[in-house]
Amino acid sequence: GAGVSQSPSNKVTEKGKDVELRCDPISGHTALYWYRQRLGQGLEFLIYFQGNSAPDKSGLPSDRFSAERTGESVSTLTIQRTQQEDSAVYLCASSLGGTTNEKLFFGSGTQLSVL
Amino acid sequence: KDQVFQPSTVASSEGAVVEIFCNHSVSNAYNFFWYLHFPGCAPRLLVKGSKPSQQGRYNMTYERFSSSLLILQVREADAAVYYCAVPGCGSARQLTFGSGTQLTVLP
Repeated sequence: GAGVSQSPSNKVTEKGKDVELRCDPISGHTALYWYRQRLGQGLEFLIYFQGNSAPDKSGLPSDRFSAERTGESVSTLTIQRTQQEDSAVYLCASSLGGTTNEKLFFGSGTQLSVL
Repeated sequence: KDQVFQPSTVASSEGAVVEIFCNHSVSNAYNFFWYLHFPGCAPRLLVKGSKPSQQGRYNMTYERFSSSLLILQVREADAAVYYCAVPGCGSARQLTFGSGTQLTVLP
């Protein structure tokens, strides 16, 4: 596709359930980022993948959060035993090579609601 | 902790020039990125750099630790959230975002 694709666009789940969010970056982009936006707050960095390097997981808020990426393609963000405070929009972004000045291309996000 | 600061709201009349200010405390950050975000859509990069620059109706001013986004001839359709971001330190070079500025445009 032409842009970054995320699925599902909306997810409603019950507290304690696991959820998996998917991101398809732009083809050829080696860098992939996950961000979270909670209601009324700014974009919060979660995790960063760059090529075959070990991912930077420094933004993950707890060990209930994990993410994987297969090569330079699809990434999944998994949240185990969801809590109400996990409710947010989860945004994925990709860029060509992961250097500082590169333009990030964002997906439209997944709205996660934990009841 | 590295932080980026911007006002939570700005209001303007249609046709005016709007200024959204941003400053940061991120060491070794020399660039600013300004993003536009309509809820439910993907954030879009408006302008970026380490010097004053312009992209269409969007101007960016630059100082070492601060920047302003200027929107010329603002329209009602410009009402959205504007994010300021700066690159962080370390190997990931991820952007640190401000909390966003909600722009309200009055007719």
